[in-house]
Amino acid sequence: DGGITQSPKYLFRKEGQNVTLSCEQNLNHDAMYWYRQDPGQGLRLIYYSQIVNDFQKGDIAEGYSVSREKKESFPLTVTSAQKNPTAFYLCASSIRDRLNEQFFGPGTRLTVL
Amino acid sequence: AQSVSQHNHHVILSEAASLELGCNYSYGGTVNLFWYVQYPGQHLQLLLKYFSGDPLVKGIKGFEAEFIKSKFSFNLRKPSVQWSDTAEYFCAVNARAGNNRKLIWGLGTSLAVNP
Repeated sequence: DGGITQSPKYLFRKEGQNVTLSCEQNLNHDAMYWYRQDPGQGLRLIYYSQIVNDFQKGDIAEGYSVSREKKESFPLTVTSAQKNPTAFYLCASSIRDRLNEQFFGPGTRLTVL
Repeated sequence: AQSVSQHNHHVILSEAASLELGCNYSYGGTVNLFWYVQYPGQHLQLLLKYFSGDPLVKGIKGFEAEFIKSKFSFNLRKPSVQWSDTAEYFCAVNARAGNNRKLIWGLGTSLAVNP
């Protein structure tokens, strides 16, 4: 089955630790995205990548980092500099010429203790 | 700056009631418009979309939305809701001009349908 996988589903970390969230897609999509979803705040874009080895900051990139070494993978690192990291993180992907129509993974709920 | 406004944050309906969720956007150029739905415990998924042509678009599960350019609106409708429509609904807009390739999201509307 084609789709987007995110792992793990739930993640707990101590304050001050960096943590990396995984996102893999087998849809052969060029573009990938990371969003943060908080109650009552909708989806906010963290980073996005339109092609391998290239990525751009979204609206709330501070305290996050990404890499795009492979087309299928777009891991997100939540660093200790992120002041409020506890949230639900969604990864998405899209076909390059239909960048608006995004397909989403199941999400990772990160809790920083 | 582009923005998307969803007027209803929480909606509670009884089964068989009609539904209309408002979505307005602020952008003067050509837009692509979307409604996404997030059922409890499931992935966010596309409900319907408008790119061009007929401004009344049909989506999955009996949903439809009408693009009214003069009102900058893309309201979601369903004539008769079911308990299984309980979910969070997000409107999203993207401008087609230039290099802007980011979806601008509304804050979402939480719909609860009572059986």
